[in-house]
Amino acid sequence: QKEVEQNSGPLSVPEGAIASLNCTYSDRGSQSFFWYRQYSGKSPELIMFIYSNGDKEDGRFTAQLNKASQYVSLLIRDSQPSDSATYLCAVNNQAGTALIFGKGTTLSVSS
Amino acid sequence: DTEVTQTPKHLVMGMTNKKSLKCEQHMGHRAMYWYKQKAKKPPELMFVYSYEKLSINESVPSRFSPECPNSSLLNLHLHALQPEDSALYLCASSQDKWSGGARDEQFFGPGTRLTVL
Repeated sequence: QKEVEQNSGPLSVPEGAIASLNCTYSDRGSQSFFWYRQYSGKSPELIMFIYSNGDKEDGRFTAQLNKASQYVSLLIRDSQPSDSATYLCAVNNQAGTALIFGKGTTLSVSS
Repeated sequence: DTEVTQTPKHLVMGMTNKKSLKCEQHMGHRAMYWYKQKAKKPPELMFVYSYEKLSINESVPSRFSPECPNSSLLNLHLHALQPEDSALYLCASSQDKWSGGARDEQFFGPGTRLTVL
């Protein structure tokens, strides 16, 4: 059973701090990695994707991938109360036929 | 434009009703998906259509019947549902999952909140 593991949280950070969310995956053949943000009662919104080892930055968000360690992370700089949400890590299976989701990490940013 | 639309937003139905959920995308995507999401759980894959053909059915009960009339539309027909089927039903689409190396980011619609009485 291929798995994606995330710490469920809640992860609490003060406004302006860096929030660090982590994810590990078991399918060594996975090639595509995604972070979705989901507000309560809403649908998941794709905020970052990464395919190669290293860092990828987009505004306040940085995704980091280490395939050797089977580890993906999301850094949110200058966290805002509007960043408070559940963050879902998703990984493609080796066949590329389905996304495997982690259970999500709840982030709370206090003002 | 990365928009997937779903109708209706909310649906309440009895266990003997027949209803349909609709999903539409105009991004030229050739893969479309149905997911089910219960409260505080991640989305669970139900069906995948690739180039309008059903490619994955994750052992979903036959009371859920998907249909892909064309490359932009995806329906989910519901019949004789159970109260435990109450959930948020999400549609998603991606560009092309079968060409290896193509962008396969999935974009979700807003969902249909289904309540089965």
